[in-house]
Amino acid sequence: EVQLVESGGGLVQPGGSLRLSCAASGFTFRSFEMSWVRQAPGKGLEWVAYISSGRTTMYYADSVKGRFTISRDNDNNSLYLQMNSLRAEDTAVYYCARGEWLLPPGDYWGQGTLVTVSS
Amino acid sequence: QSVLTQPPSASGTPGQRVIISCSGRSSNIGNNYVYWYQQLPGTAPKLLIYKNDQRPSGVPDRFSGSKSGTSASLAISGLRSEDEADYYCASWDDSLSGPVVFGGGTKLTV
Repeated sequence: EVQLVESGGGLVQPGGSLRLSCAASGFTFRSFEMSWVRQAPGKGLEWVAYISSGRTTMYYADSVKGRFTISRDNDNNSLYLQMNSLRAEDTAVYYCARGEWLLPPGDYWGQGTLVTVSS
Repeated sequence: QSVLTQPPSASGTPGQRVIISCSGRSSNIGNNYVYWYQQLPGTAPKLLIYKNDQRPSGVPDRFSGSKSGTSASLAISGLRSEDEADYYCASWDDSLSGPVVFGGGTKLTV
């Protein structure tokens, strides 16, 4: 059974940092592209970042470029999102999702982890 | 303001057919596939349609997708109460502003 389980969310002060993790199981993780997508309270979905299966290609939304870094460990079936210089507008549930090359997130999503940026 | 434009709301009665539209431009829908997601309250999004009109296994054939030019549509026939949810379209975008774009979402009331 394919599973994606996010962790690492929590309350952080503006300007602070947080590292999200996504543990993958039930499929060949190293064969799939991965994305992070977030959803602010009561708002729609916003794509955040994308990483290719071989870690050679990363893309970021303009809203997080220069502050967030997506990475992955194919040996440990894990996806990460390092979030620095956090702002109140980064408050959201963050989902990891499996995908394919140059396509939107696909068939499997995690349950999400809540990040709250507040003083 | 989302790159892809969806109506904020739609409604129908049980058994009816409802269509949700998604409008974009040549850099996204015009040149790339469209995906549709269903999000039930308090849950993660679920893939409903991929590559314009393909259904993942387990998605009922009451759900169908289509694309024409720079617009796409999600049709739901035989509407059921459990279809009440938020629906989002998404596409890859060839412009420099970011490769994945979502619609603002459509809240379907049954």
